[in-house]
Amino acid sequence: AQSVTQLDSHVSVSEGTPVLLRCNYSSSYSPSLFWYVQHPNKGLQLLLKYTSAATLVKGINGFEAEFKKSETSFHLTKPSAHMSDAAEYFCVVSRGYSTLTFGKGTMLLVSP
Amino acid sequence: DAGVIQSPRHEVTEMGQEVTLRCKPISGHDYLFWYRQTMMRGLELLIYFNNNVPIDDSGMPEDRFSAKMPNASFSTLKIQPSEPRDSAVYFCASSSGWTGDGSPLHFGNGTRLTVT
Repeated sequence: AQSVTQLDSHVSVSEGTPVLLRCNYSSSYSPSLFWYVQHPNKGLQLLLKYTSAATLVKGINGFEAEFKKSETSFHLTKPSAHMSDAAEYFCVVSRGYSTLTFGKGTMLLVSP
Repeated sequence: DAGVIQSPRHEVTEMGQEVTLRCKPISGHDYLFWYRQTMMRGLELLIYFNNNVPIDDSGMPEDRFSAKMPNASFSTLKIQPSEPRDSAVYFCASSSGWTGDGSPLHFGNGTRLTVT
């Protein structure tokens, strides 16, 4: 069985400050891990993915995530938040023949 | 590439009416997924197809829901009869390979269904 836990339902930052969105996963074997972003009234868009290559994954819009097997974590970071980053972010795990398992989402609020 | 196209964007209907949601996946993608998103339950997988064949429909809530994929470029999700608890945003997504191997999903912009 696989599961994913997003540790914060809401994260608030000021524009220009770092962003950290936390995600822990549970999977019996090496999983594929993804971060998706959803802007209001839009579908989900892929930010980045990990598939057992480099543990530090770079995505679009300056986001990156580090796969830490020992901590079963896949936290999403960005050095400097922009107003346009305000959205909901989903951590997703997939392995083998199982379909994707979505986290419950973290709403990122960015204030000027 | 136009991406995954869903129609309509919004649908408002009365309880008991039939509702049909439509999806055109990205050309060349072999997998098509239907998801439902609500505040209470988040994203739920309803059904997915591989090469137009339904593979897993265990997420379909009940017999009122049905999905078809008559060809590689079109799928429908039908609710008959509709109920207020079906109100949600329904997403269609497609992928070029199996997600367990790392192939990402490409989502449409969704259909917001309101059943009164």
